[in-house]
Amino acid sequence: NAGVTQTPKFRILKIGQSMTLQCTQDMNHNYMYWYRQDPGMGLKLIYYSVGAGITDKGEVPNGYNVSRSTTEDFPLRLELAAPSQTSVYFCASSPRAGVYSNQPQHFGDGTRLSIL
Amino acid sequence: QQPVQSPQAVILREGEDAVINCSSSKALYSVHWYRQKHGEAPVFLMILLKGGEQKGHDKISASFNEKKQQSSLYLTASQLSYSGTYFCGTASAGGTSYGKLTFGQGTILTVHP
Repeated sequence: NAGVTQTPKFRILKIGQSMTLQCTQDMNHNYMYWYRQDPGMGLKLIYYSVGAGITDKGEVPNGYNVSRSTTEDFPLRLELAAPSQTSVYFCASSPRAGVYSNQPQHFGDGTRLSIL
Repeated sequence: QQPVQSPQAVILREGEDAVINCSSSKALYSVHWYRQKHGEAPVFLMILLKGGEQKGHDKISASFNEKKQQSSLYLTASQLSYSGTYFCGTASAGGTSYGKLTFGQGTILTVHP
């Protein structure tokens, strides 16, 4: 059971370039999340999805886009990379929890992104 | 709003105990605790749900006081493997959180031999 798989693990981008961070889960979880974690800081929610075709903004969505065409996949797109987007990006998933958060989130290993 | 964790950092010797606190200004439905080792993903420890229950996980336990919007994580007889950064994630009551969590800034725990 692979759990949550993120690719790539590391990436260096130039300012203005675009890229897609991939996230796949094989646990049939409805809910998926994207976080960023800056050095020495906590996790900030970028976007989340409660099921295929449904996404919504988190705390820090500017500069990012997401889509959710299948239950398994939740890619994160950076359109015009900026140095402020240098961070570690984590994807997570959890089973359906209704309106309450009574299920744990399972995290991928992260993508370390540097923008120079 | 981000929950506030205290202390920011704690240093222990093996066998000592520690308490990490998590406070929110909002009414909470649940509090999640995660541990993250350097360069790795956060790992789930436990969830505390509205109702003030206390949970245990080996020598790590936690409590949730919903009236004070506070949770505390208790680590007893610490081991070297307990070292890492501990995060609380909170879900607010009375709204449609859909599993969304707001994480604290983290508490760095270092256990020395």
